[in-house]
Amino acid sequence: GNSVTQMEGPVTLSEEAFLTINCTYTATGYPSLFWYVQYPGEGLQLLLKATKADDKGSNKGFEATYRKETTSFHLEKGSVQVSDSAVYFCALSDDYKLSFGAGTTVTVRA
Amino acid sequence: GAGVSQSPSNKVTEKGKDVELRCDPISGHTALYWYRQRLGQGLEFLIYFQGNSAPDKSGLPSDRFSAERTGESVSTLTIQRTQQEDSAVYLCASSLARVRVSGYTFGSGTRLTVV
Repeated sequence: GNSVTQMEGPVTLSEEAFLTINCTYTATGYPSLFWYVQYPGEGLQLLLKATKADDKGSNKGFEATYRKETTSFHLEKGSVQVSDSAVYFCALSDDYKLSFGAGTTVTVRA
Repeated sequence: GAGVSQSPSNKVTEKGKDVELRCDPISGHTALYWYRQRLGQGLEFLIYFQGNSAPDKSGLPSDRFSAERTGESVSTLTIQRTQQEDSAVYLCASSLARVRVSGYTFGSGTRLTVV
């Protein structure tokens, strides 16, 4: 079945540092891939997505590229801010639902 | 409505009591989902509705859990004879038909505490 494996956290960074969160997947067919973010005390929000191989999703300075050859969708940001502190979830779609990774907690210190 | 609305936002119940959690999806979203998020863990799929029918209820953990949806709108998740292990945040999400294109919109969740 479909599954997503995320880099384990927690991850602690200083402001302006480079952030990478690894995500790899196992799927039949050609899923779409997503990153969701959950800020403290809030619900999950869609951060970015990619629907086919080699697509790059981007939003709020975050980027992720759908790599079919390595079955990966790693999330990156070049210069993080304290406001990026959150839990990040990688997800993939099958025909009708999303399967989520376990989440990676990121804390950015000033 | 403008977003997915869940109620109550918090619920504390005694072990053995029944609880009902409500989800009001975005108007026009035909697909509706329930997930469970235990403290410090990922999202556990519970059930999927397309319209008023539930073609995938494979994630419901036991027969104490049930859900229904009416009018292709509001959904209710019912947990009977609650146990302490049911304590979690219950998340509802809705989507246009093609989830692989649009993804989900989540509600803010109901935090259930069983004491």
